[in-house]
Amino acid sequence: GESVGLHLPTLSVQEGDNSIINCAYSNSASDYFIWYKQESGKGPQFIIDIRSNMDKRQGQRVTVLLNKTVKHLSLQIAATQPGDSAVYFCAENQGGSEKLVFGKGTKLTVNP
Amino acid sequence: DGGITQSPKYLFRKEGQNVTLSCEQNLNHDAMYWYRQDPGQGLRLIYYSQIVNDFQKGDIAEGYSVSREKKESFPLTVTSAQKNPTAFYLCASSIGPGWTEAFFGQGTRLTVV
Repeated sequence: GESVGLHLPTLSVQEGDNSIINCAYSNSASDYFIWYKQESGKGPQFIIDIRSNMDKRQGQRVTVLLNKTVKHLSLQIAATQPGDSAVYFCAENQGGSEKLVFGKGTKLTVNP
Repeated sequence: DGGITQSPKYLFRKEGQNVTLSCEQNLNHDAMYWYRQDPGQGLRLIYYSQIVNDFQKGDIAEGYSVSREKKESFPLTVTSAQKNPTAFYLCASSIGPGWTEAFFGQGTRLTVV
């Protein structure tokens, strides 16, 4: 089965609030993680990535946190906007292998 | 524009027919991938290729075939042996394996009737 999974399949927030999307992984050999955003009927878009030698990485309005002790990854979106509504996937690369393993995704809905 | 292009966006086929999905990239990426996505599900790897004339099976390769005759092209054939072919198919490419992001095309929605 997949080694990457999610705690919550859906998340609903109010516009302007901060969002936190969680992801658990089970392979301790995984050393690279990516968050993707997928809008309906479209391909996934890269949001942010992090390597296992880091605990935190920030982008524009997004922050990824990596807790290797508990094998947990989270994506924080600041001041969530309606355009952030989408399905968010985490993906892991297992020890430099050729492929990414994806979780099932969390659907984020932003209410105006 | 640099990117990865999948065509067509929508595809309808009768049961029992083979169908080929196109994927082209002009990013000069060595690695290319095919994923399948079912409603409300994550992405599952069908096939991947790290270099021209070489490819490997992913997690759900049965009923599918690929070729990699050119660096920029990685077509996927859904054969009649695929028991449940109706799905959203996504092609991706990356510079190479390991610590690199994959760039995705916009997908092809295949419906078999």
